[in-house]
Amino acid sequence: GDSVTQKEGLVTLTEGLPVMLNCTYQTIYSNAFLFWYVHYLNESPRLLLKSSTDNKRTEHQGFHATLHKSSSSFHLQKSSAQLSDSALYYCALRNNAGAKLTFGGGTRLTVRP
Amino acid sequence: SVLLYQKPNRDICQSGTSLKIQCVADSQVVSMFWYQQFQEQSLMLMATANEGSEATYESGFTKDKFPISRPNLTFSTLTVNNARPGDSSIYFCSSRDRLGGYEQYFGPGTRLTVL
Repeated sequence: GDSVTQKEGLVTLTEGLPVMLNCTYQTIYSNAFLFWYVHYLNESPRLLLKSSTDNKRTEHQGFHATLHKSSSSFHLQKSSAQLSDSALYYCALRNNAGAKLTFGGGTRLTVRP
Repeated sequence: SVLLYQKPNRDICQSGTSLKIQCVADSQVVSMFWYQQFQEQSLMLMATANEGSEATYESGFTKDKFPISRPNLTFSTLTVNNARPGDSSIYFCSSRDRLGGYEQYFGPGTRLTVL
């Protein structure tokens, strides 16, 4: 079946430094939709970014990610971390055959002053 | 977009009891999904519920333990039977809008503590 790997469980950064959260995936299907969800404490998880186009950068709210099918990756990046970016981030995959999302293990990002 | 509401927000129950979690959507949706999240861990899909049919359960989740009803296109109920401390987690309902777009929306979650 499909799988999503987020190798960092915890990332701690100082405000102003760049952010990079890793996401790799596996699927047997040729087309995959990749997502990043952000989950703030006591709120619902919400969509941050999505992509299904190879090698095309997608951006939202200062974050960006590029789907690379050759390396099965969809890393989340931001040039300068803010305190308000502290949250749990999930990478997720939906293949072109199914209706359900497969989530990675999540990365807890903590940004310190 | 779809707005999802869950009731209760949190619950504390004794081992061996059963409890129900309700999810209401502000518009008709085809599928409703139920997820379980343990502290700071991944969102695990429990089951997919479509109107008028039996829910489809993922590995590790059973109908006997987590029966789900889906009586109409805006409502679903998850029941936790014979609750155990290991069931203590947050339960989220989730759905996509009726146009079948790829964005999935989540309810606010129900935090369950089983004593």
